[in-house]
Amino acid sequence: GESVGLHLPTLSVQEGDNSIINCAYSNSASDYFIWYKQESGKGPQFIIDIRSNMDKRQGQRVTVLLNKTVKHLSLQIAATQPGDSAVYFCAEKRWNNDMRFGAGTRLTVKP
Amino acid sequence: DAMVIQNPRYQVTQFGKPVTLSCSQTLNHNVMYWYQQKSSQAPKLLFHYYDKDFNNEADTPDNFQSRRPNTSFCFLDIRSPGLGDAAMYLCATSSDNSPLHFGNGTRLTVT
Repeated sequence: GESVGLHLPTLSVQEGDNSIINCAYSNSASDYFIWYKQESGKGPQFIIDIRSNMDKRQGQRVTVLLNKTVKHLSLQIAATQPGDSAVYFCAEKRWNNDMRFGAGTRLTVKP
Repeated sequence: DAMVIQNPRYQVTQFGKPVTLSCSQTLNHNVMYWYQQKSSQAPKLLFHYYDKDFNNEADTPDNFQSRRPNTSFCFLDIRSPGLGDAAMYLCATSSDNSPLHFGNGTRLTVT
């Protein structure tokens, strides 16, 4: 399943499928990008980050892709599990340490 | 072990009555942030401290103030809370070029 982040705030996928969450960021000068997962009643939790000198980074079951040309960031989750259900935010860090968040996408995993 | 601790977890205040939210960290990070998060929205940056330097966001109302007496502690003061200030308030810390570490937030109710 795939979302367009700011324009489609919910994404529903079947357990075991891959998920793709998209995000458009605003500032071409941003040089550091982070994906966060937020569960109900908790603070955002770090998932994976990427710097502007890279276009792809992989973690455990997650991959982040960065396209600076169109200012687009995506998070891919492989073999999505029920525990992945949460709201996912992308964030961009600016030169002055400002960390700004995108609108978020709610991921629901159906068993 | 909690590394960014926010107290209290839930805070109820009356309309117009000053309230202070607190945040402490054991990470020795030099940057501390305050975010406001309303239901189903992204965290919104209010301000941050880089060491002792205070960085206010242009659209943060004057009603919101902050203090950082030392590296470990940071406070959010709301001088005259209105009904629209009811939200989750998130504190986060980071060092240069590192992800933000969030506390679990203080949920503020204004009656």
